[in-house]
Amino acid sequence: EPEVTQTPSHQVTQMGQEVILRCVPISNHLYFYWYRQILGQKVEFLVSFYNNEISEKSEIFDDQFSVERPDGSNFTLKIRSTKLEDSAMYFCASSLSAGINTGELFFGEGSRLTVL
Amino acid sequence: AQRVTQPEKLLSVFKGAPVELKCNYSYSGSPELFWYVQYSRQRLQLLLRHISRESIKGFTADLNKGETSFHLKKPFAQEEDSAMYYCALSSFNNAGNMLTFGGGTRLMVKP
Repeated sequence: EPEVTQTPSHQVTQMGQEVILRCVPISNHLYFYWYRQILGQKVEFLVSFYNNEISEKSEIFDDQFSVERPDGSNFTLKIRSTKLEDSAMYFCASSLSAGINTGELFFGEGSRLTVL
Repeated sequence: AQRVTQPEKLLSVFKGAPVELKCNYSYSGSPELFWYVQYSRQRLQLLLRHISRESIKGFTADLNKGETSFHLKKPFAQEEDSAMYYCALSSFNNAGNMLTFGGGTRLMVKP
């Protein structure tokens, strides 16, 4: 069964460094998402991506964050200058469509980011 | 603004006992609600959605618009049901399927 894969599973970085988290969505899916979960808190929507552009983003997704799909298979989340509060589990997800019946989100296993 | 509340962080029951995981929501439109589950060391996965009115692994959930609730129920809990359960509300639009999650409830089923 196809799955969303994420790398790395865990990354430790120093405050102020740039981080890139990578995701390979399910191959025939058209919508891609990033969510995050700070330890002990809710899973929060960050951004959705469709047709090679951001389709929606939350207020968390500020100028420090960017996403791209550089090669038609990978979907990346870049944090330009990490802060301590960026420490979280980041989940990538994809869906076939935006509709109620085929818009089910399939999640990756997550990338744990620790900012020191 | 939409919001999902799961009042219990932890629910512990014995095998064979009934289970009810509570979920309340606030949303101005017509809600589309889901339950996601995360088993130990596994990824988040869809358990069920209200629109399909299905029973998955013995779990059911009924949308009660009057009480703005979408509680998850199972008449007889099994040990393999132990997991983290998240209630989620969806904003479907052309931008995709954006989920607002509750805080999650950890279900522990004791032998």
